[in-house]
Amino acid sequence: EAQVTQNPRYLITVTGKKLTVTCSQNMNHEYMSWYRQDPGLGLRQIYYSMNVEVTDKGDVPEGYKVSRKEKRNFPLILESPSPNQTSLYFCASSLSPRGHYNEQFFGPGTRLTVL
Amino acid sequence: GQQVMQIPQYQHVQEGEDFTTYCNSSTTLSNIQWYKQRPGGHPVFLIQLVKSGEVKKQKRLTFQFGEAKKNSSLHITATQTTDVGTYFCAGRESGGGADGLTFGKGTHLIIQP
Repeated sequence: EAQVTQNPRYLITVTGKKLTVTCSQNMNHEYMSWYRQDPGLGLRQIYYSMNVEVTDKGDVPEGYKVSRKEKRNFPLILESPSPNQTSLYFCASSLSPRGHYNEQFFGPGTRLTVL
Repeated sequence: GQQVMQIPQYQHVQEGEDFTTYCNSSTTLSNIQWYKQRPGGHPVFLIQLVKSGEVKKQKRLTFQFGEAKKNSSLHITATQTTDVGTYFCAGRESGGGADGLTFGKGTHLIIQP
């Protein structure tokens, strides 16, 4: 089944404790992206990746890192989480960012709480 | 940077009434996408519009892309309880090298039976 998976789905952590949220897709998509969703603010793009070893900042990249060593995986790293990073995070992928085949498939989401 | 504004933020309708959400970009878009997110779920792709003035229909849903490719709308005819959720537009800026996608803040559709 074609899908985007994220782990963990729920995470409660403390300020400053490094964490990684994994994202994997099995559709051989080139483009992958991370979003955070906050009430009243909608979906905001954190980072995106056009292909392996190619990543770019989105609208709210501060406090986050990403890597794209393999096509299928796009982990989101919070080196030193802070309470303002408490949010619902979505990973998404699409065949290509350009042209007609850029429908984004979203993962189920990761709800992160930083105390 | 690019801004995508979406109105209204909330819309309450009686079941059977029509619903429209509007999306406006501060810059010209290469394309615009629409997504639906059910409560507790993740966004699901509905459609993509690419051409100036384009109109597409999916059953009771009608999507339009403005002539200037800076605005779009989603209209639902005769809403049903299954239409409940948040509708997002998402635009990619035309030209330049950026491939980021900017989402509107969404319109929450609440349906009263």
